[in-house]
Amino acid sequence: GAGVSQTPSNKVTEKGKYVELRCDPISGHTALYWYRQSLGQGPEFLIYFQGTGAADDSGLPNDRFFAVRPEGSVSTLKIQRTERGDSAVYLCASSLAASGHVLNEQFFGPGTRLTVL
Amino acid sequence: ELKVEQNPLFLSMQEGKNYTIYCNYSTTSDRLYWYRQDPGKSLESLFVLLSNGAVKQEGRLMASLDTKARLSTLHITAAVHDLSATYFCAVDDTGNQFYFGTGTSLTVIP
Repeated sequence: GAGVSQTPSNKVTEKGKYVELRCDPISGHTALYWYRQSLGQGPEFLIYFQGTGAADDSGLPNDRFFAVRPEGSVSTLKIQRTERGDSAVYLCASSLAASGHVLNEQFFGPGTRLTVL
Repeated sequence: ELKVEQNPLFLSMQEGKNYTIYCNYSTTSDRLYWYRQDPGKSLESLFVLLSNGAVKQEGRLMASLDTKARLSTLHITAAVHDLSATYFCAVDDTGNQFYFGTGTSLTVIP
């Protein structure tokens, strides 16, 4: 079956612009996660959705970052007034079970590489 | 905040040799995951370890978990070039996120 998909695969923008990154989770997965991966580092948690609601947004670096999942499936990560330091690969993951469940294996999408000039 | 440390960060080994990657973490957890990442690609799930003493093997890779020592190992047996990649461990503290290590970049030299 189809895995997690993300669009676009690459996004180049100018400092100060607004960007949206999209994630399509695996069908039937109720939990969705956004991570950010900088070069040479492991992924860092941004936000977790259970269904339509953001259950944990403690990883969002500041209020320029926002994410939605209005129908409990597709999610969009939105970044306002982008800065050069936002350049990274943004990864989306989904899992079948809710956080804390023993089967919380996360499956990752290919990522969106964001470059802020 | 939960800390996850991997070592070594970089590993260059010859084909046919054995080696172990270590993953230490700072809090009690019995859920640990190993992922592989090829350059420019996303993370591929390798192993899911869900209890103390869990051992999983797939091909030339074997992962184990010691929750009392807060340690997981990824053992490579008779390495081949196709194993060259970056390997990440991730700890699930039964909260809402995975905590990833910094990764081990493995290069297998023919």
